[in-house]
Amino acid sequence: SYELTQPLSVSVALGQTARITCGGNNIGSKNVHWYQQKPGQAPVLVIYRDSNRPSGIPERFSGSNSGNTATLTISRAQAGDEADYYCQVWDSSAYVFGTGTKVTVL
Amino acid sequence: EVQLVESGGGLVQPGGSLRLSCAASGFTFSSYWMHWVRQAPGKGLVWVSRINSDGSSTSYADSVKGRFTISRDNAKNTLYLQMNSLRAEDTAVYYCAPGREYSGYWGQGTLVTVSS
Repeated sequence: SYELTQPLSVSVALGQTARITCGGNNIGSKNVHWYQQKPGQAPVLVIYRDSNRPSGIPERFSGSNSGNTATLTISRAQAGDEADYYCQVWDSSAYVFGTGTKVTVL
Repeated sequence: EVQLVESGGGLVQPGGSLRLSCAASGFTFSSYWMHWVRQAPGKGLVWVSRINSDGSSTSYADSVKGRFTISRDNAKNTLYLQMNSLRAEDTAVYYCAPGREYSGYWGQGTLVTVSS
């Protein structure tokens, strides 16, 4: 089965840029989606199909995908961006989620 | 406004059964594939099952295959998950989510606790 690997944690200074990676075999050939989840809350879609933002998601969130790595970038990080982030792909008619990354804003 | 309201969770003994429901509104339920995704306490998101828009096709994670059954009633805009032979490792918050390759909306989840 397909596997997605993310770093356990990423720290970023307030106002700086955070990059969260999602590794998978030839992931560049798949569409990658990203979710933000804050404690006690449901996941929220922040990026779909590699680099598209749903309405209401700030432009500070962007995504890219190539080769074996997809990346979620959070620019000008704010305290409210502290959360867990999960990448996800559609494989064999099922969702496959990454292991999740905890983002801490210092 | 899209709303997804899960219900039916609770405390159940190992080997027991529960039926989860997900009441959907604010979108054309019958046009969407639906998924169940779970999250054990302090752990990540794990896909459980999905059903296509007319209910003719289903798929399950290996960990629940043969024990869980996903179904839907498009007339009632409701998704179900029948969970049998529950195990301690099934303890999690269960979310329903519409979509095919990704989900733009999620319910708030219902907690299932399997414990004696």
